[in-house]
Amino acid sequence: NAGVTQTPKFQVLKTGQSMTLQCAQDMNHNSMYWYRQDPGMGLRLIYYSASEGTTDKGEVPNGYNVSRLNKREFSLRLESAAPSQTSVYFCASSRDRIYEQFFGPGTRLTVL
Amino acid sequence: ELKVEQNPLFLSMQEGKNYTIYCNYSTTSDRLYWYRQDPGKSLESLFVLLSNGAVKQEGRLMASLDTKARLSTLHITAAVHDLSATYFCAVWGNEKLTFGTGTRLTIIP
Repeated sequence: NAGVTQTPKFQVLKTGQSMTLQCAQDMNHNSMYWYRQDPGMGLRLIYYSASEGTTDKGEVPNGYNVSRLNKREFSLRLESAAPSQTSVYFCASSRDRIYEQFFGPGTRLTVL
Repeated sequence: ELKVEQNPLFLSMQEGKNYTIYCNYSTTSDRLYWYRQDPGKSLESLFVLLSNGAVKQEGRLMASLDTKARLSTLHITAAVHDLSATYFCAVWGNEKLTFGTGTRLTIIP
């Protein structure tokens, strides 16, 4: 089992460009999450999907959109990237929301 | 709003010594997780604590949960260099998981 996979691993964007971060899990989990991690800020939840077909805002959703494509896949889209979105992005999944979350390897995004 | 505080935020300790990291949280919860993150890497699950008085041990690490005090501890026994990492606690409450800001642990030979 690969667990949680993310693509790409690294990305550099110019201000105003768009991109989609991909996440997939093979653990048959119901819930999936997108976090960003910035120095000194810990992990902040951007969006989550409690189950297939649902998505909800987290703590810092502005500037992002998500799609729960199917049970396995949960993508994060930046429509018009800004330097403030420079961060490391982690996808995670769990059996259901109250259970232990498993994290992907992360995407390091730089917006110039 | 659930607040999760870890202390210390930074910790340098010598090999062979014992130390404890503290995780305090602000509202009732009986579900707490500890994670480890190596530099440039992802988060790895260490412990799942699901009830008052729960204690879990793995090697030189032991975690406990006191739900009445709203406190979890991560105790390191006879530290070794490969325990150097950032440790996060995360608390389930108010229908979401809230992470502490992490404790960066450096073990000095």
